[in-house]
Amino acid sequence: AQRVTQPEKLLSVFKGAPVELKCNYSYSGSPELFWYVQYSRQRLQLLLRHISRESIKGFTADLNKGETSFHLKKPFAQEEDSAMYYCALDKDGGFKTIFGAGTRLFVKA
Amino acid sequence: GAGVSQSPRYKVAKRGQDVALRCDPISGHVSLFWYQQALGQGPEFLTYFQNEAQLDKSGLPSDRFFAERPEGSVSTLKIQRTQQEDSAVYLCASSLGGLWAGAEIRSYNEQFFGPGTRLTVL
Repeated sequence: AQRVTQPEKLLSVFKGAPVELKCNYSYSGSPELFWYVQYSRQRLQLLLRHISRESIKGFTADLNKGETSFHLKKPFAQEEDSAMYYCALDKDGGFKTIFGAGTRLFVKA
Repeated sequence: GAGVSQSPRYKVAKRGQDVALRCDPISGHVSLFWYQQALGQGPEFLTYFQNEAQLDKSGLPSDRFFAERPEGSVSTLKIQRTQQEDSAVYLCASSLGGLWAGAEIRSYNEQFFGPGTRLTVL
C-alpha cells in the first residue's frame, strides 16, 4: 500500500541552525513527491515538488529512490519558518494525493 | 482574485443530523478534490471531480458520504446521519488542469486549498 511517513511530530531548532524534516514513502511506481506547508492561521499550500528541483524560501528536497526518502532541508532556519509541514505523494498517472501526518517545526529565537 | 472558499467555516451537528458542506473553487479550475483531516493527522483523500464528473470516490468512508458538482463548479459534500467519528476538518482544493482520458501521465497542476470546514459532531 502507498504510504507517506513523517517520523517526527515536532521538531524544535534554534534560529540559524540547520533543519531537516524527514519523509519516507512506500510506493512501487514512480511517484511525484511534494512538500506542503501550513503557516499559523493560513491555508495549506504547496512549498515545493521534486520534479521542479527548485529551492523555495531556502528549502530544498532531494528524492532518494534507493532509500525511498524525500527529506526537506534548510541550512539556516528562520523564525518565520515555524509552521506545519506535510510530505505528500501523487501516484504515477493518478490524482490521489497521499499525505503524511505532518511535522510541526518550531524555530526558537 | 479570490481563492477557494468553503462554507460554513464551522459546523456543530448533533449525532444523527445531516450536514452539507460547500466548496467554491477558483473560477475555471477543472479539478476539485475533497479531503478529510482528523486531529493530528494529514489530509486524507475523499473524492475527485473533473468538471462535473466524479472520477474517484474511493476515499469516501461510508455510504453516508456523498459529493456532487452538478455544473462543474461549486461542489457540495453531504454527510448523512453524522457520527462522532465524522468530526474533522474537511478541506476542498481545486486545480487548473485535469486527467484526460487515455493519458498515461498526468500533467501536474498545483492544488489550491480552501480554509476548510471544521465539523464537530456531538
